[in-house]
Amino acid sequence: DTEVTQTPKHLVMGMTNKKSLKCEQHMGHRAMYWYKQKAKKPPELMFVYSYEKLSINESVPSRFSPECPNSSLLNLHLHALQPEDSALYLCASSQEMANEQFFGPGTRLTVL
Amino acid sequence: AQKITQTQPGMFVQEKEAVTLDCTYDTSDQSYGLFWYKQPSSGEMIFLIYQGSYDEQNATEGRYSLNFQKARKSANLVISASQLGDSAMYFCAMREPYSSASKIIFGSGTRLSIRP
Repeated sequence: DTEVTQTPKHLVMGMTNKKSLKCEQHMGHRAMYWYKQKAKKPPELMFVYSYEKLSINESVPSRFSPECPNSSLLNLHLHALQPEDSALYLCASSQEMANEQFFGPGTRLTVL
Repeated sequence: AQKITQTQPGMFVQEKEAVTLDCTYDTSDQSYGLFWYKQPSSGEMIFLIYQGSYDEQNATEGRYSLNFQKARKSANLVISASQLGDSAMYFCAMREPYSSASKIIFGSGTRLSIRP
């Protein structure tokens, strides 16, 4: 299994909703990442987990809350988002931090 | 601080022609890595090729090759015999020096369009 999966593919939520994005990989990778990508821009790093511990938080607002329940799973919990948070959210994994990253298909999030 | 520059926001190329996508980088470190990713309109980022700063040979993967010129700090992607399916956004990226908190930083991207 050489892929990263993400669910859901699309998500529309209101500003008062609570939702979660899920990411899974079965490549035995020990680093997992969340990126946010706005249209026509490169991905922006949000969080990095290494060996199931949060290694990097790029000063992301607390309305985004990551969770790594085990080495294969990565969640991103969303609460009280703003319309400007609408974007493509990409999950990635790599063997170790700084190795090439393999990305999932992304979740297109729209906040109304 | 590390920086990646892609100066071509968009390119049009005739099918079957070779295409070169430019990438220059800036770093004061001796140990670093360079990557190219492809992002079709579907959104998924696809890893294409990697070059380590100490690699003496240019990296190649099928129709992709990386023209690594260390003194010029450039890492251009060459796609041979372009195909319609190559139409996508292409990002050059650089790995910070290896440490417990290494990150990959991305350039602004080049949108490649292949004409039939």
